[in-house]
Amino acid sequence: GNSVTQMEGPVTLSEEAFLTINCTYTATGYPSLFWYVQYPGEGLQLLLKATKADDKGSNKGFEATYRKETTSFHLEKGSVQVSDSAVYFCAPRQTGRRALTFGSGTRLQVQP
Amino acid sequence: EPEVTQTPSHQVTQMGQEVILRCVPISNHLYFYWYRQILGQKVEFLVSFYNNEISEKSEIFDDQFSVERPDGSNFTLKIRSTKLEDSAMYFCASSDGAGAPTDTQYFGPGTRLTVL
Repeated sequence: GNSVTQMEGPVTLSEEAFLTINCTYTATGYPSLFWYVQYPGEGLQLLLKATKADDKGSNKGFEATYRKETTSFHLEKGSVQVSDSAVYFCAPRQTGRRALTFGSGTRLQVQP
Repeated sequence: EPEVTQTPSHQVTQMGQEVILRCVPISNHLYFYWYRQILGQKVEFLVSFYNNEISEKSEIFDDQFSVERPDGSNFTLKIRSTKLEDSAMYFCASSDGAGAPTDTQYFGPGTRLTVL
């Protein structure tokens, strides 16, 4: 079955720093790949997605590229803001299934 | 912007009692889901529901759990006899099924269930 490995947090950065949150997965076939974000006190929101190899998902300055050869979907942002402070979840979805498999989540804290 | 809503935001119950968690999915969506997150642990899939039947479920979703779409707008999760280990945040989600399996699941804010 699927499994997801996400880098442990918390990740603490200063404003305008570069962000990388690593995510690797195991899955059969060609899963769809998602990043969700959870802001304090809120539910899970889709941040970006990629559905085939070499696709790049992007939103709000965040990017992630579907790397099939390394089974990775690392999240990056060139310049973080305090408002990016949240918990980020990597979540692949195996072909033919509806269920998302969530990683353990990485808490990002951005300091002014 | 349409959103998934859940009630109540917090439910406290005694062990052995039945609870029903309620969700109103986005109105034109066809697939409905429940996930849960035990404090400090991963978000885990419980069940998906389509065309008035369960389309997929995890091993967590045993016969203590059931789901129902009692009318055109609500989607419920029932736990028949709650256990301490059912304490968790329960998230409802929905998706429109367009372009499946790449369609986006939209999540509600969650119901925190505390079993005493």
